[in-house]
Amino acid sequence: EDQVTQSPEALRLQEGESSSLNCSYTVSGLRGLFWYRQDPGKGPEFLFTLYSAGEEKEKERLKATLTKKESFLHITAPKPEDSATYLCAVQEPTGANSKLTFGKGITLSVRP
Amino acid sequence: DAGVIQSPRHEVTEMGQEVTLRCKPISGHNSLFWYRQTMMRGLELLIYFNNNVPIDDSGMPEDRFSAKMPNASFSTLKIQPSEPRDSAVYFCATAKVQVGSGANVLTFGAGSRLTVL
Repeated sequence: EDQVTQSPEALRLQEGESSSLNCSYTVSGLRGLFWYRQDPGKGPEFLFTLYSAGEEKEKERLKATLTKKESFLHITAPKPEDSATYLCAVQEPTGANSKLTFGKGITLSVRP
Repeated sequence: DAGVIQSPRHEVTEMGQEVTLRCKPISGHNSLFWYRQTMMRGLELLIYFNNNVPIDDSGMPEDRFSAKMPNASFSTLKIQPSEPRDSAVYFCATAKVQVGSGANVLTFGAGSRLTVL
């Protein structure tokens, strides 16, 4: 069973059409939940870290929220430059330097 | 800061050949991770090091894969012999981690795209 599941796999939006990307996780305990953005041909780029249920973080048109079992990345009035793959990852509290487990990502396309 | 530097960016080789991928971490970062990305399986952790010591290599697919970190400035991932199913993008990521601190923020390199014919 996957520890991190992202949905939908792909999302096409019209410019200005707000939506949300989902990340559900099944790990027992959570040190942190991460959102990354990946552009074609590049490595993932860090967006947010969330630590506890109820926490929210914002950056420009993006807002990330966290519950005990899932996280949402809300995109408000997206622009074509928001087109990318958005990756969610979890870190379990199993040691000082534990690894990140990633979901398969959500490919977002925003049409002008 | 030049970020995490990976080489080569692209590698095309024939089945059975040895492949060596290289990574230079960000100065001061003490944890280094090797990930593999494919369409089918997404990002998979292969191995990670703390202070140049391998901590978890449970993601290394088989004995054909090996990784080293001889010093804080350099790491290699070697595949010998390579097979077509090894074709993927290999990412190196690094982090500065302090014991007892919060979650690790990884900085990724641009990746090495490997094609094995």
